[in-house]
Amino acid sequence: AQSVAQPEDQVNVAEGNPLTVKCTYSVSGNPYLFWYVQYPNRGLQFLLKYITGDNLVKGSYGFEAEFNKSQTSFHLKKPSALVSDSALYFCAVRDVRYKLSFGAGTTVTVRA
Amino acid sequence: KAGVTQTPRYLIKTRGQQVTLSCSPISGHRSVSWYQQTPGQGLQFLFEYFSETQRNKGNFPGRFSGRQFSNSRSEMNVSTLELGDSALYLCASSWDSPGSAGELFFGEGSRLTVL
Repeated sequence: AQSVAQPEDQVNVAEGNPLTVKCTYSVSGNPYLFWYVQYPNRGLQFLLKYITGDNLVKGSYGFEAEFNKSQTSFHLKKPSALVSDSALYFCAVRDVRYKLSFGAGTTVTVRA
Repeated sequence: KAGVTQTPRYLIKTRGQQVTLSCSPISGHRSVSWYQQTPGQGLQFLFEYFSETQRNKGNFPGRFSGRQFSNSRSEMNVSTLELGDSALYLCASSWDSPGSAGELFFGEGSRLTVL
């Protein structure tokens, strides 16, 4: 069965510094990977996805993610974090039956 | 294009009651999934419907049920409510066609409080 792990419950960075949120995956076959963001009392918003092709995927709000097959990782990155990026971030993987499995989530706090 | 709409947004019930939550997917999306989100358990998959058929099911008791109508709208029902059912219930729809990534588009959720 497919799964994702987000090893960090919390990530704290200063505004203007690079932001990285880590995700590792376990899946048989080619992975379909996703990142979502959730603001307080809201639903999840889709950020980006990896299906195939370039290992660096660009998404919404200046976020990008790097797919690394040898390390089975799909880390989310932003070169310069904003206070408004403070939110809960989820990594997810899709199985062949179109079911998405989510990681536990990482709370990102960006301090001014 | 309208997003995923969930109703009601907030509701309060007492133990033993039942509740029905509604979800209208993005126009053209045939797949609707439901998730339960709690601080302790994170996002837990409930079930997924595609063209009125349950295609995937999570590990929830039979008190949790759902259905999908011919217009792709979906409802989920929880009977005999327990305190532990207090959660944010999220609905998501997807395009789900061959060649698509199957990414989900979420509604704002229905916040259920069981007293």
